[in-house]
Amino acid sequence: GDSVTQMEGPVTLSEEAFLTINCTYTATGYPSLFWYVQYPGEGLQLLLKATKADDKGSNKGFEATYRKETTSFHLEKGSVQVSDSAVYFCALSDPAGGTSYGKLTFGQGTILTVHP
Amino acid sequence: DGGITQSPKYLFRKEGQNVTLSCEQNLNHDAMYWYRQDPGQGLRLIYYSQIVNDFQKGDIAEGYSVSREKKESFPLTVTSAQKNPTAFYLCASSIRGQGKSYEQYFGPGTRLTVT
Repeated sequence: GDSVTQMEGPVTLSEEAFLTINCTYTATGYPSLFWYVQYPGEGLQLLLKATKADDKGSNKGFEATYRKETTSFHLEKGSVQVSDSAVYFCALSDPAGGTSYGKLTFGQGTILTVHP
Repeated sequence: DGGITQSPKYLFRKEGQNVTLSCEQNLNHDAMYWYRQDPGQGLRLIYYSQIVNDFQKGDIAEGYSVSREKKESFPLTVTSAQKNPTAFYLCASSIRGQGKSYEQYFGPGTRLTVT
């Protein structure tokens, strides 16, 4: 079945440091890939997405490139801020097959803490 | 503003009682979903519905029930049969398109504590 693996956390960085959170996936078809962010006590917000190979999703300084050859979708940001402290989830949606469309498969989440 | 509302934000119940969590959306989305979030385990799908009056079990449906009588509403009942109901519950919705995948939009969540 489909699965998503994220790098283990927590990740602790100083402000203005470079961020990478690794995400790899297994899917039967050609999935769409997503990064969601969850701030403490809140629901998930879509951060960025990519729907086909070599697509780059970007938003608020975050970027991720859909790499089919390595089945990866790593999240990067050049200079993190304290306000980026949150939990980050990688997810996929695999449209292959009838009733599975629209469902998301999530990674376990990576906690990011940014210190001033 | 369009969005998803979940109420209440915090809910406390005694063991053995059924409890219903509310989820309402005004995004005109056909599909709605319920997830459970436990610390360090990501999100797990409980139930989903792609159209009114139809719903399917997700990965952890045991001890839960849902209904979908209106497009805007997808309430989740946590029954006394759910062995470990204390968790953070998230509702989501998306547009529906066969053969395609669309991002889901999430509500703010309900934290249920059962003692």
